[in-house]
Amino acid sequence: QKEVEQNSGPLSVPEGAIASLNCTYSDRGSQSFFWYRQYSGKSPELIMSIYSNGDKEDGRFTAQLNKASQYVSLLIRDSQPSDSATYLCAVNWQAGTALIFGKGTTLSVSS
Amino acid sequence: GAVVSQHPSWVICKSGTSVKIECRSLDFQATTMFWYRQFPKQSLMLMATSNEGSKATYEQGVEKDKFLINHASLTLSTLTVTSAHPEDSSFYICSARLDRGSSPLHFGNGTRLTVT
Repeated sequence: QKEVEQNSGPLSVPEGAIASLNCTYSDRGSQSFFWYRQYSGKSPELIMSIYSNGDKEDGRFTAQLNKASQYVSLLIRDSQPSDSATYLCAVNWQAGTALIFGKGTTLSVSS
Repeated sequence: GAVVSQHPSWVICKSGTSVKIECRSLDFQATTMFWYRQFPKQSLMLMATSNEGSKATYEQGVEKDKFLINHASLTLSTLTVTSAHPEDSSFYICSARLDRGSSPLHFGNGTRLTVT
């Protein structure tokens, strides 16, 4: 059974702080990793993709992947109230197949 | 970027009736589409993989006779919830990717189904 684990939170940070979200996955052969943001009542939107070990930065977002530890993280710098949402970690274990999602971490950014 | 359109956005139906949800890839061809379901405060659960021109592949525990999937063209997949019951009330979301590899999925806006 392929699993993706996330701390459900809520994670509360003040505006301007760094939010750190973590995810672990069970299948060592997984190939690609994604972070989606989901606002209440809406469908997920892609914010980061990462395919190889190391860091990938895009604006205020940095994704980190450590395949040896089967660990993916997302850092959000200068957090804004508009970042308040549920963040879903998703893993693709085989090309062409569906993504497996974690349960999501709810982030709350207070102004 | 890839655009996936889903219709309707919300639907209310009576118990025992059927509801059809459409999922279209607007600017690309999708040989495979994925249907997810999300209950309140839970994550996305894969229901089935829709393959153009062939039968869908259903996940364990998903009744194929209840959730009919048709993928008749490279840009359209439909999910029909037959004989809907209140426990089928959920958020149904379709998705597709631009290639057959490991690129991200692009999601439709979802359909909120309420069965009364």
